[in-house]
Amino acid sequence: DAKTTQPPSMDCAEGRAANLPCNHSTISGNEYVYWYRQIHSQGPQYIIHGLKNNETNEMASLIITEDRKSSTLILPHATLRDTAVYYCIVRGADSNYQLIWGAGTKLIIKP
Amino acid sequence: DTAVSQTPKYLVTQMGNDKSIKCEQNLGHDTMYWYKQDSKKFLKIMFSYNNKELIINETVPNRFSPKSPDKAHLNLHINSLELGDSAVYFCASSQDPIPGEKLFFGSGTQLSVL
Repeated sequence: DAKTTQPPSMDCAEGRAANLPCNHSTISGNEYVYWYRQIHSQGPQYIIHGLKNNETNEMASLIITEDRKSSTLILPHATLRDTAVYYCIVRGADSNYQLIWGAGTKLIIKP
Repeated sequence: DTAVSQTPKYLVTQMGNDKSIKCEQNLGHDTMYWYKQDSKKFLKIMFSYNNKELIINETVPNRFSPKSPDKAHLNLHINSLELGDSAVYFCASSQDPIPGEKLFFGSGTQLSVL
């Protein structure tokens, strides 16, 4: 079973920041938080991952709370092409290093 | 160049047939995976190979047999197809199977068993 909880859907206006929350209250110390997205009819696309510190790359920022029980993915300037299902996943030794996928958040960017 | 490529993209077949899906990655990765995405869109790991050796074999019927001729290829052969095998199958690769590695996915093969 997935170790994460995400809202099933969210809307965001084009050009605004999209903030996607994820709860992972049972995460263990050696588990990473990963974010992937799946645009309709395509394969999942890696976005970002982190262990303890906040991370930023060209696609997004990942904010992990100090207790590591939740995180937020931030798309700073959402575009229509960011409409997709976003998956938050924890991965580590406790899950046999597997990505155990939940239902994700369907993010709809509106013009 | 496509990093992880799968063929075919669509596969429609009758129950009882045998079919194969091919996967190739040109990223120089050592680890490859097969995932199944069911109608509810949940992705589940099926198999993982590291340097042509099977390292993960989840609870999958033995009608499914992965084959890795070299570390750039991981094919999936399915015998005696059943209706419940209808799904989208994704191939993926990563440099290592360790937690810090990111996976690259192919575009999927939509299998429909009639």
